[in-house]
Amino acid sequence: GQQVMQIPQYQHVQEGEDFTTYCNSSTTLSNIQWYKQRPGGHPVFLIQLVKSGEVKKQKRLTFQFGEAKKNSSLHITATQTTDVGTYFCAKNTNAGKSTFGDGTTLTVKP
Amino acid sequence: DAGVTQSPTHLIKTRGQHVTLRCSPISGHKSVSWYQQVLGQGPQFIFQYYEKEERGRGNFPDRFSARQFPNYSSELNVNALLLGDSALYLCASSWATPLSGNTIYFGEGSWLTVV
Repeated sequence: GQQVMQIPQYQHVQEGEDFTTYCNSSTTLSNIQWYKQRPGGHPVFLIQLVKSGEVKKQKRLTFQFGEAKKNSSLHITATQTTDVGTYFCAKNTNAGKSTFGDGTTLTVKP
Repeated sequence: DAGVTQSPTHLIKTRGQHVTLRCSPISGHKSVSWYQQVLGQGPQFIFQYYEKEERGRGNFPDRFSARQFPNYSSELNVNALLLGDSALYLCASSWATPLSGNTIYFGEGSWLTVV
């Protein structure tokens, strides 16, 4: 079954609005990774978070790892049409297995 | 520099047939992982290989097998295809195992349709 839950499943925003997707786990995570997949494309690695409470920024994207290391979020400030796609979080286990959430699909209306 | 390359890009197979999908990682990368992505879902982990050894296996039946060659390229084999095997099969490479924090690069994928 699903071990990382993402919400919301879909998000439609007006260009310029902010967007946030959340990733939740019932167990403590050793790390969390975020990916973006454009329609018809393949997942592209964005970032990995490892430390409790870690916050990393990439231009308009802010990634956060919860203090308990059971949740993470991706926030996009002032969305643009180029931000359209599905955003996935994924966790890695010690066995080398990666478990992906089902993603949040973002659409942006110009 | 070439990214992760996968072949074929698209293929159609009949139920019961066998398929082999191929992946060449980025030069210098020693880890290859395989994922199955069904429309509307996230990628599902199938296998990870590092230094030619299997390092991880997902919850897939024994019809699925894989191997990594001395040049670090990899093959995914699926026997006795079922309609439910229709999906995008993604290969990902990294310099070391994903757990070590290295960036992971996905290929464009192989679209498999089973009819």
